[in-house]
Amino acid sequence: EPEVTQTPSHQVTQMGQEVILRCVPISNHLYFYWYRQILGQKVEFLVSFYNNEISEKSEIFDDQFSVERPDGSNFTLKIRSTKLEDSAMYFCASRDSDSLYGYTFGSGTRLTVV
Amino acid sequence: KQEVTQIPAALSVPEGENLVLNCSFTDSAIYNLQWFRQDPGKGLTSLLLIQSSQREQTSGRLNASLDKSSGRSTLYIAASQPGDSATYLCAGEAELIFGQGTTLQVKP
Repeated sequence: EPEVTQTPSHQVTQMGQEVILRCVPISNHLYFYWYRQILGQKVEFLVSFYNNEISEKSEIFDDQFSVERPDGSNFTLKIRSTKLEDSAMYFCASRDSDSLYGYTFGSGTRLTVV
Repeated sequence: KQEVTQIPAALSVPEGENLVLNCSFTDSAIYNLQWFRQDPGKGLTSLLLIQSSQREQTSGRLNASLDKSSGRSTLYIAASQPGDSATYLCAGEAELIFGQGTTLQVKP
């Protein structure tokens, strides 16, 4: 069964450092997403990406965040200058154009900012 | 702005019981609705997708229904097992807005 792959599974970084979270969506999917879940809280939408551009973003997705699809397979989330409150589980998801099977999520990257 | 609420927040049942988890949403223009399972510290596993034109979906012991007019979805779990213990999340499209989840514990 096709999977969304995320790396690394756990990242520890110092406050103020830049981090890049990586995702490989399912190969024939066209819509890509990042979500985050702070410990004990809801899963929150960050950004959606289609046709090489951002289609929607939430209030959380400020200038510190950026996304990129650098090649035909990877989808990345960059946080420029991490803050303590960026500590969370970050999930990548993808779906096909007709959403026949809904969203498929990766297993997440646990980001810890110290 | 779409808001999704799940009731109850937590549920503890003995093994073998049938149970219903509830999900309500504020915007009836919801497109699809998807139910997920999340084990502690893990990712989201898709359980059922109810597309906009559908009213319910079934997979094994799970049945999910969608009533857009009332802004409700339910997840029915038949003959619950200890392995069903997890947090169950519902989410409505577009851009999947999640509820806070129902944490289920099934006691052997």
